[in-house]
Amino acid sequence: SQQGEEDPQALSIQEGENATMNCSYKTSINNLQWYRQNSGRGLVHLILIRSNEREKHSGRLRVTLDTSKKSSSLLITASRAADTASYFCATGGSTLGRLYFGRGTQLTVWP
Amino acid sequence: NAGVTQTPKFQVLKTGQSMTLQCAQDMNHNSMYWYRQDPGMGLRLIYYSASEGTTDKGEVPNGYNVSRLNKREFSLRLESAAPSQTSVYFCASSDGQALNQPQHFGDGTRLSIL
Repeated sequence: SQQGEEDPQALSIQEGENATMNCSYKTSINNLQWYRQNSGRGLVHLILIRSNEREKHSGRLRVTLDTSKKSSSLLITASRAADTASYFCATGGSTLGRLYFGRGTQLTVWP
Repeated sequence: NAGVTQTPKFQVLKTGQSMTLQCAQDMNHNSMYWYRQDPGMGLRLIYYSASEGTTDKGEVPNGYNVSRLNKREFSLRLESAAPSQTSVYFCASSDGQALNQPQHFGDGTRLSIL
């Protein structure tokens, strides 16, 4: 399967702490993307990292990519209760537009 | 700017009934997608349309048909609904003309089949 696999499946932290989620995949990729899904809503794109990039930042988000280990991590710094959501990684290959989604990490941030 | 709009938001069907899920995007995107999301399974691609006039099967196409009506609209049809098709269905769109494009999602249709 080309799907990414997120780890852990669930993560529970206090406000102000950092949250780290990992994604592993099996095939070569062109890019890796992270999405957030709030309860009852659609997925929202957070950040995209290309296969020739190692690290990318966007606000409180930091994404790393290690193509030799076929893995990526998403770090959310100084978490807030509003960050409570499911987070999905998605890998893009050589087929234009197609993405392969993992099963997600459920993040709960307690006030 | 609505983005991706899906209708209906909720639907209950009886086994064997048919229905069409509608999706429209206003971002002038070339590519559109239909996914289903089941607990513990993540998102699985049902069908996609790389450009107007083309459609291709994804990972789980059986029991579904699609129509790319024009550049804006991409519909998903269940001809004879089965309980195994109870799921949340998401439509998405992307520019699709280059690699490394994000997808934009609607808020889903929650479908229950009794």
